[in-house]
Amino acid sequence: DAGVTQTPRHEVAEKGQTIILKCEPVSGHNDLFWYRQTKIQGLELLSYFRSKSLMEDGGAFKDRFKAEMLNSSFSTLKIQPTEPKDSAVYLCASSLVPGLNTGQLYFGEGSKLTVL
Amino acid sequence: GDSVTQKQGQVTLSEDDFLFINCTYSTTTYPTLFWYVQYPGQGPQLLLKVTTANNKGISRGFEATYDKGTTSFHLQKASVQESDSAVYFCALDTNAYKVIFGKGTHLHVLP
Repeated sequence: DAGVTQTPRHEVAEKGQTIILKCEPVSGHNDLFWYRQTKIQGLELLSYFRSKSLMEDGGAFKDRFKAEMLNSSFSTLKIQPTEPKDSAVYLCASSLVPGLNTGQLYFGEGSKLTVL
Repeated sequence: GDSVTQKQGQVTLSEDDFLFINCTYSTTTYPTLFWYVQYPGQGPQLLLKVTTANNKGISRGFEATYDKGTTSFHLQKASVQESDSAVYFCALDTNAYKVIFGKGTHLHVLP
């Protein structure tokens, strides 16, 4: 079975550009998460979808970050406009049924974003 | 609110040393607790999981015990290998959708 697939693996953007990161969750998984990972803050939840419905829109990340789930097998994370402080690894994860305390997340390999 | 604390940012050991990574948590629920491991260039992957029904998790030589009294979930391994070098995350699932991660502990094992 295919795991979580993220593209691109690396992205370099100029300040002010728009970038779109893509994610394909594990087939059959109902829940999809976007996390940002930095050395200082660790793993921060950006967005969460349950059965394609947006359940968490990221609080402090709302203004320039927008995640969408176009169908059950594809999600995008748009950052617009990018700022140097957005440089991080963006991780997508999926889960079968986290609400039943299984909690196991399956992560992709991440998209490393560098904003100049 | 719910939280997970890993105070050790980095641990450096030699092969065959004993590993101990500290993790404490805070929640009003009866959570499921996890350790995830992240190797370079990869996303985190589940190492072991412990629920309120079973107090100890064991996987690949690692073990963690769920201690409700001290609200701790420390990770241990008797003898580390160079291949264990990675970042280890303690995580908490409070039966909501949100899994809360600690900041991670970077383990560096010298050959």
